[in-house]
Amino acid sequence: DVVLSQSPRSLPVTPGEPASISCRSSQRLLHSNGHNYLDWYLQKPGQPPQLLIYLGSTRASGVPDRFSASGSGTYFTLRITRVEPEDVGVYYCMQGLQTPWTFGQGTKVEI
Amino acid sequence: QAHLVQSGPEVKKPGASVKISCRAFGYPFKSYVLSWVRQAPGQGLEWMGWISPYNGNTNYARRFQGRVTLTTDTSTTTVNMELRTLTSDDTAVYYCARGVIVASPYHYMDVWAKGTTVTVSS
Repeated sequence: DVVLSQSPRSLPVTPGEPASISCRSSQRLLHSNGHNYLDWYLQKPGQPPQLLIYLGSTRASGVPDRFSASGSGTYFTLRITRVEPEDVGVYYCMQGLQTPWTFGQGTKVEI
Repeated sequence: QAHLVQSGPEVKKPGASVKISCRAFGYPFKSYVLSWVRQAPGQGLEWMGWISPYNGNTNYARRFQGRVTLTTDTSTTTVNMELRTLTSDDTAVYYCARGVIVASPYHYMDVWAKGTTVTVSS
C-alpha cells in the first residue's frame, strides 16, 4: 500500500501568519496523464472532512484562495498564506492513484 | 444543493453485521460515485471502497474484501454499505462521500455526509 507521511503532526499557528504542511509519498503519485492523484482534506472539530485541494494543486469550489498546494511525484505541500481562526482542525493528504486509497496520519493545526 | 444523508447510529454485538444507508439529494445520482471512509475514535481516516450507481461497479479496499458489500438503489438514490463479522475494531464513524470522477477510477470526494457512528460492544 502507498504510505503517506505528513509533517509536522502538530502545528501551532498564529492568526495572520503563514503555515505549511508537507506530505511525502512512498510511491510516485504522478499518473501518465500528467496529473498527481493527491488530495487535501480538512476535518474541522466535530465535522466530516471537507475537500480543499484535488489533483495535487487545484483548489476545490468555495475554498479561499489563501489555501494553495504544490508538488509532484512523491513530495507535496499545502500552504496557508494567512491563517484564519476557522482554519483549525486536522489536515489530511490522500492518494487516489493506487487502491487501497490511503490517507496521511493527519496534521493538527491549532491556534 | 447536493447533500448526503446517512442513517442513524448503530450498536452491534461482535460477530453481527451492520447496514448503513446513504441517500443522495440535489444532483444526478448516476453521474458520481459514492465512496465510504471510516474513522475510529481519535484516529485518522480510512478508505473502505466505492460504488458507481451508474453501472454498479465496486472497488473495495483489500482489507475489507469479503466482509463489506456496497449496493445501490437508483429508485431511491441510496447507497447501502454492509459490514459483516463485526469486531470492536470496527467501532468508528462511517462516512459516505460523493466522488467526482476525473479519470476512472480516481475521483475526489467533494460532498460528505455527517457520518454514522457504529459501536461494536458485547
